[in-house]
Amino acid sequence: DAGVIQSPRHEVTEMGQEVTLRCKPISGHNSLFWYRQTMMRGLELLIYFNNNVPIDDSGMPEDRFSAKMPNASFSTLKIQPSEPRDSAVYFCASSLGAGALSYNEQFFGPGTRLTVL
Amino acid sequence: AQSVAQPEDQVNVAEGNPLTVKCTYSVSGNPYLFWYVQYPNRGLQFLLKYITGDNLVKGSYGFEAEFNKSQTSFHLKKPSALVSDSALYFCAVRDMGHASGGSYIPTFGRGTSLIVHP
Repeated sequence: DAGVIQSPRHEVTEMGQEVTLRCKPISGHNSLFWYRQTMMRGLELLIYFNNNVPIDDSGMPEDRFSAKMPNASFSTLKIQPSEPRDSAVYFCASSLGAGALSYNEQFFGPGTRLTVL
Repeated sequence: AQSVAQPEDQVNVAEGNPLTVKCTYSVSGNPYLFWYVQYPNRGLQFLLKYITGDNLVKGSYGFEAEFNKSQTSFHLKKPSALVSDSALYFCAVRDMGHASGGSYIPTFGRGTSLIVHP
């Protein structure tokens, strides 16, 4: 298995531009997570999908951020308009199962390093 | 509510010596506990987890962790550290039962940087 795939690996953009990050979870996994990692704030959960449905988006910073999961094999995280404070590494992770009986570990992608100038 | 604390930002150890990375947690019910490792410019990788049963859990790369319910701890250990173990280590916790106020989503600690000196 190729693992969780994220693209692009690096993105440099200017303030005000739209940024779209992409994720392909591991086949068969039905839970998907988007995280943001910075030195200041550590690892932050942005949004969690289960069976393609957003379950918890309380971590999404503001309306400039949106995420979709149109099918089980693809998810996007969009920032519009982007700001310098959005600069971070964004990780996608997937896992098998959900709910009270789920105790399975998450598999993380390699991340997208976003720099907003 | 659930929370996890990693009290040390950084742990330094000499190669060949035993290492311990500390983690304490708080949940309303019973915990699921996880350790992940992050190497530079990489995503987090799963090391081991505690679900139930034996309090000593063995994982990848010679790591192990001991679940201590009375102290609400889940410290990561390795008998003999390698320079290649130098990385960022994350502890995560999930409350086993949603009915007790827990979450289906694990809560991660802030991470502990492990530096193994040659």
